Amino acid sequence: NAGVTQTPKFRILKIGQSMTLQCAQDMNHNYMYWYRQDPGMGLKLIYYSVGAGITDKGEVPNGYNVSRSTTEDFPLRLELAAPSQTSVYFCASTNPGQGVYEQYFGPGTRLTVT
Amino acid sequence: GESVGLHLPTLSVQEGDNSIINCAYSNSASDYFIWYKQESGKGPQFIIDIRSNMDKRQGQRVTVLLNKTVKHLSLQIAATQPGDSAVYFCAEIITGTYKYIFGTGTRLKVLA
Repeated sequence: NAGVTQTPKFRILKIGQSMTLQCAQDMNHNYMYWYRQDPGMGLKLIYYSVGAGITDKGEVPNGYNVSRSTTEDFPLRLELAAPSQTSVYFCASTNPGQGVYEQYFGPGTRLTVT
Repeated sequence: GESVGLHLPTLSVQEGDNSIINCAYSNSASDYFIWYKQESGKGPQFIIDIRSNMDKRQGQRVTVLLNKTVKHLSLQIAATQPGDSAVYFCAEIITGTYKYIFGTGTRLKVLA
């Protein structure tokens, strides 16, 4: 299993540009998450999904959109990029069967908006 | 280079000594807690978890202690090794919501 994969690893955007951060998992996990991590800070939840076709907002959803058309994929869309969106973005997945809530994280996408 | 953890509290420990990393959680309704390790340039990695009906859980070289009265978690690492150098986060969960709330993190530096 590849686990959770994210692309791209790095990206520089100009203000106002758009992009999609890709996330895929091959563990058949129902739950998927997008986080951002700013320097010196913990992880902030942007959006999450409990299954294909179902998404919900986290703590910091403004400026982002998500979709979940398949169990495997959970892309994050940035529209009209702003400098405040400069961050490292992590995708994670889990399947809380039997009461185990371990999240598996991807390697992250480092985004700079200038 | 790493941008995560530039301003985090730092714990410096001599190799071979024990480390204790602390975390205060925010929600008294949280009933499940996880410790993660994040190495430079990587995503967080699960270390150990504990449910709110327990006050202690042990793994290999790691122990988590939970004090619900003061909403406090600690991670103890025995015989700290250079490979333990990383940023450590706690996360709290209210089971059934499946939302994870992460603490700010502590950087552990192991001195040779």
